[in-house]
Amino acid sequence: GAVVSQHPSRVICKSGTSVKIECRSLDFQATTMFWYRQFPKQSLMLMATSNEGSKATYEQGVEKDKFLINHASLTLSTLTVTSAHPEDSSFYICSARDPTSDHYEQYFGPGTRLTVT
Amino acid sequence: SQELEQSPQSLIVQEGKNLTINCTSSKTLYGLYWYKQKYGEGLIFLMMLQKGGEEKSHEKITAKLDEKKQQSSLHITASQPSHAGIYLCGADKGSGGYNKLIFGAGTRLAVHP
Repeated sequence: GAVVSQHPSRVICKSGTSVKIECRSLDFQATTMFWYRQFPKQSLMLMATSNEGSKATYEQGVEKDKFLINHASLTLSTLTVTSAHPEDSSFYICSARDPTSDHYEQYFGPGTRLTVT
Repeated sequence: SQELEQSPQSLIVQEGKNLTINCTSSKTLYGLYWYKQKYGEGLIFLMMLQKGGEEKSHEKITAKLDEKKQQSSLHITASQPSHAGIYLCGADKGSGGYNKLIFGAGTRLAVHP
């Protein structure tokens, strides 16, 4: 299947700083990527849809000024957590659809664990 | 809004036993996905079902979508410790090709040797 990578896999930052997470589709071009967050022992919650060349679409309750998304190319989307606080500590996962697949399978990255101290 | 309910929430089985995980939607499903996740890792795509009555198998895992397209089951035959993890069902929020997925709460499976 298609491969989606994320970097970094783990990051620890101090409260008030910003952190950037990268999501890359390695063997296909993705015009649309999705960002999720997952709290311990909970399911994935969609945060936003990242669209190549245009603004991201945020889910209700997600602060767009806090979670900045940039989809600069067909293989790269970035999520920047600005002015991070301890409550932003979570597991962030991105996904992308493979447009060449018959059924638009959605492939997920390995996730990034963010800890804000 | 559409919701997905998974049952059971957790499951502990002896190695070699069969098991079934269910996923029920409050609305008709356009596409139903099954993923497996190990704690702290990404999701591994297992199968996708679209048509009512569809059934797919991969190794010892079989997934079915009912005729009404509101319920799916995931069946594991002769479970092994490698099957342990969190199983998540996800559903397309719309009928197009690039829609968001919503997820059930997950089923935590432990397989004891």
